[in-house]
Amino acid sequence: GENVEQHPSTLSVQEGDSAVIKCTYSDSASNYFPWYKQELGKGPQLIIDIRSNVGEKKDQRIAVTLNKTAKHFSLHITETQPEDSAVYFCAAVEGTYKYIFGTGTRLKVLA
Amino acid sequence: EAGVVQSPRYKIIEKKQPVAFWCNPISGHNTLYWYLQNLGQGPELLIRYENEEAVDDSQLPKDRFSAERLKGVDSTLKIQPAELGDSAVYLCASSLQGAPGELFFGEGSRLTVL
Repeated sequence: GENVEQHPSTLSVQEGDSAVIKCTYSDSASNYFPWYKQELGKGPQLIIDIRSNVGEKKDQRIAVTLNKTAKHFSLHITETQPEDSAVYFCAAVEGTYKYIFGTGTRLKVLA
Repeated sequence: EAGVVQSPRYKIIEKKQPVAFWCNPISGHNTLYWYLQNLGQGPELLIRYENEEAVDDSQLPKDRFSAERLKGVDSTLKIQPAELGDSAVYLCASSLQGAPGELFFGEGSRLTVL
């Protein structure tokens, strides 16, 4: 079955700097790669996603890149702000519903 | 529009006691998921419903866990009897049917088993 690895587990950056979180997956049948942000005491919330026929997608300060050959995808956050501090999860989705989540990255933006 | 609603938000019980969690998905979402989230981990699927049918319950520990989604709307997840290792956050999510897309999560029910 699918296995998703996520790195780093924790990340501290100065406000205004960029943050990069990387994930690798094992199943080439996975076709959808969402990223979720989870704040303390809340459920995960989708922040950006990418499908397997696209290499890069950007939404304001966040972007995701996908390398299908290498089976890895990354989340990029530029100009980080304190409110970006949270736990971020990547996921690889096979078919229509088989979501496999990474183990999460705790991002701390230092003011 | 209201999001996914879960209750209770917190529950503390002693081991061997029963516990139940309730979820109301977003109106119109046919697909409902129950996920288990252990501390410091990503969500792991317990069961997925399409309308009232449980179409994937392969990861549900059926000796002590049960779930139902009567009438294809609200859902209940039950644990009986609870064990110490069941302490975790139980997340409910819903989505539209069809191509993979956004999962809408509730805020979760945090269970502590003493």
